Amino acid sequence: QQKVQQSPESLIVPEGGMASLNCTSSDRNVDYFWWYRQHSGKSPKMLMSIFSNGEKEEGRFTVHLNKASLHTSLHIRDSQPSDSALYLCAASDSNNRIFFGDGTQLVVKP
Amino acid sequence: NSKVIQTPRYLVKGQGQKAKMRCIPEKGHPVVFWYQQNKNNEFKFLINFQNQEVLQQIDMTEKRFSAECPSNSPCSLEIQSSEAGDSALYLCASSQADYAEQFFGPGTRLTVL
Repeated sequence: QQKVQQSPESLIVPEGGMASLNCTSSDRNVDYFWWYRQHSGKSPKMLMSIFSNGEKEEGRFTVHLNKASLHTSLHIRDSQPSDSALYLCAASDSNNRIFFGDGTQLVVKP
Repeated sequence: NSKVIQTPRYLVKGQGQKAKMRCIPEKGHPVVFWYQQNKNNEFKFLINFQNQEVLQQIDMTEKRFSAECPSNSPCSLEIQSSEAGDSALYLCASSQADYAEQFFGPGTRLTVL
């Protein structure tokens, strides 16, 4: 069973809109989450990480974490065409094992 | 920018052939990961090392895949007998610790004919 589930699989938003991506872990031992972005033909690069309840904001990107439900979300405001990419959620557990979800493919239409 | 080096960038093998790819982690990063990303962009963890020791590996890796990270040499991932289903992008990443940010190399794209 996949330990990290992401939704939706794909998302289309208009330029300037808000993109909201979700990630949930089914493993109660998970305690740290990352969001990576992978542009087409490129390797993934980390966007943000979070391990405390609440939210973290960096520029147009905000990450929320609810540790009780093991749910994290990434919100991109004022989305730009350059934000079009595969967004990967990763989680690590108390044994330092790391699991990636299958990603959300975001398309921002001009 | 990531300084993880992967070679070769492209690899073409026939079924049953060995396929070997290499990775040089960023300087000062003792933890190295190998991932397989298929044509549907599904990401699969294969194995990770801390210095020369295996930390975790999946069952698939234990059968046809072998990997090592010798001291003072590149890390390597080798598929003993390639199958068509092994065609994928193989990504190497390194980090300062298990739970730290991972920096990815450009990947080796393996095609098994």
